[in-house]
Amino acid sequence: GQSLEQPSEVTAVEGAIVQINCTYQTSGFYGLSWYQQHDGGAPTFLSYNALDGLEETGRFSSFLSRSDSYGYLLLQELQMKDSASYFCAVRGQGGGNKLTFGTGTQLKVEL
Amino acid sequence: DVKVTQSSRYLVKRTGEKVFLECVQDMDHENMFWYRQDPGLGLRLIYFSYDVKMKEKGDIPEGYSVSREKKERFSLILESASTNQTSMYLCASKGGSTDTQYFGPGTRLTVL
Repeated sequence: GQSLEQPSEVTAVEGAIVQINCTYQTSGFYGLSWYQQHDGGAPTFLSYNALDGLEETGRFSSFLSRSDSYGYLLLQELQMKDSASYFCAVRGQGGGNKLTFGTGTQLKVEL
Repeated sequence: DVKVTQSSRYLVKRTGEKVFLECVQDMDHENMFWYRQDPGLGLRLIYFSYDVKMKEKGDIPEGYSVSREKKERFSLILESASTNQTSMYLCASKGGSTDTQYFGPGTRLTVL
């Protein structure tokens, strides 16, 4: 089977940098994705890492270390609108199209 | 822009009723998915479909079935609704060449 672990809650202040970690156990690995979900909204895709290293998209970056089965999402210059839940997801066993999601990290950005 | 729509935002049904949740996408995506989302449990995959009339079980298929008669439409069916199926149901679609899943707004189903 596949499982992912991420912190349930993180709090940070506006303008700061926050890192949300994700560790995974999976038989086969084809990539780690991150999704953002605001309260009452649909999850939206943020980033995808198939290879080791850092992927940067504006204020958001995502990192992957396949040897450590670990990744993180880095959010810089935090804004109030970044308050949301963030989910990591792996495409694992058998490749294909199936994603397994973590339980999500609720990020609270305070003034 | 990819658009995934779901037939209802809120639905209230009684125990034992047959429930249909509909999902439509407008991007000609091959792959469609049904998830349920519960507090503290994240998104759990119920069923997915990689082509018309094709389906595969996800992690929690018990009590559910699906139908994909047309490429753009994927239906989730609760044959006999039970109170433990009260949840947020999210539909998603994905093209073949990317890893991005596009989600619909969700249907909050309450079974009384």
